Amino acid sequence: DVKVTQSSRYLVKRTGEKVFLECVQDMDHENMFWYRQDPGLGLRLIYFSYDVKMKEKGDIPEGYSVSREKKERFSLILESASTNQTSMYLCASIGDRRKAYEQYFGPGTRLTVT
Amino acid sequence: AQKVTQAQTEISVVEKEDVTLDCVYETRDTTYYLFWYKQPPSGELVFLIRRNSFDEQNEISGRYSWNFQKSTSSFNFTITASQVVDSAVYFCALRPGANSKLTFGKGITLSVRP
Repeated sequence: DVKVTQSSRYLVKRTGEKVFLECVQDMDHENMFWYRQDPGLGLRLIYFSYDVKMKEKGDIPEGYSVSREKKERFSLILESASTNQTSMYLCASIGDRRKAYEQYFGPGTRLTVT
Repeated sequence: AQKVTQAQTEISVVEKEDVTLDCVYETRDTTYYLFWYKQPPSGELVFLIRRNSFDEQNEISGRYSWNFQKSTSSFNFTITASQVVDSAVYFCALRPGANSKLTFGKGITLSVRP
């Protein structure tokens, strides 16, 4: 089974702190994604990566950056956390063409910025 | 641009009732994939089904069934004889065949009461 893990289920940080959210997948997938989920807004794509050291902006990249140094790991970085970044963050990894790019999600990190 | 509309935001039913969750999509691509995901209270997104644009055959999996109609750009999901464990947020999603970005609807919160 595909497994996508995220470093924390719950995280509380202070405004201005630098925050790292880690995501690891064990299926050798090229494509990885970071979403945030907010009530009434659904899931919105922050950043994605097609390969190591490659990254592309999603729909709401402002205030975030990412790092993909190894294929299995995709990190989301909040350089200076703000209260409007309080949200649920979901990482995803995508299967290959044979599985029609089926997307597997991690359990999520609920981040609170105070 | 891709768009997924889940017009229903919250649905409440009594156990054993049938319930249909609506999904309407917009895309200019001729090749695309449609998905349904379930998000139980635990938070993790669970993949339910994938359907490609060339396959309009409806699908049934136990109490779940899906009705895909290209003529109306809809991909509706029906739960027959609902159970309390079906209580969750359900997301419909669309991916164009040309790339792997997944566009989600805003989700439908289903509550099944005993």
